[in-house]
Amino acid sequence: NAGVTQTPKFRILKIGQSMTLQCAQDMNHNYMYWYRQDPGMGLKLIYYSVGAGITDKGEVPNGYNVSRSTTEYFPLRLELAAPSQTSVYFCASSLRGDGGNYGYTFGSGTRLTVV
Amino acid sequence: DAKTTQPPSMDCAEGRAANLPCNHSTISGNEYVYWYRQIHSQGPQYIIHGLKNNETNEMASLIITEDRKSSTLILPHATLRDTAVYYCIVRAVGETSGSRLTFGEGTQLTVNP
Repeated sequence: NAGVTQTPKFRILKIGQSMTLQCAQDMNHNYMYWYRQDPGMGLKLIYYSVGAGITDKGEVPNGYNVSRSTTEYFPLRLELAAPSQTSVYFCASSLRGDGGNYGYTFGSGTRLTVV
Repeated sequence: DAKTTQPPSMDCAEGRAANLPCNHSTISGNEYVYWYRQIHSQGPQYIIHGLKNNETNEMASLIITEDRKSSTLILPHATLRDTAVYYCIVRAVGETSGSRLTFGEGTQLTVNP
């Protein structure tokens, strides 16, 4: 099993550009999440999904959009990149909403710099 | 979800036990205590969780006080690879549409040779 796979690992964007951060999981997990982590800080939830076709906002959704057309994929879209979106982005998945016996599985992250 | 309080940093000698405390004085009866860790530049990793009984797995032990207002994560024989930020999270059991983990600042554990 690959677990949670995120691409790209690194990206530099210019202000106003758009991009999609990709996230895929092969564990047939219903729940998927996007977090961002600013330097020296904890993780903040951007969006989450409880199943294909169902998404909802987290703590810091402004400037982002998501879609969940299948169980496996949960892409995060940045429409007009701003310097405040410079961060490390983590995608995660879980079998149950509370994590269950195996907790949440995280990807290795996408490091995004907006200049 | 109940708020948790952890020390910002701790040190431990290699080979010794690392005991990481967490206060969660407002925990509710249906809330579990979860522990995750994040090694530098990597995604967080699930360690262990428990409700009221002590728990042990291949990574660590979790000791929860009888009143459930605090807990301690124990790494019995810390190695240099255990240097990481450790997050204590309290979360209600069960599946709800709003289910997600809330990460605080955590404890930076440094294991010294």
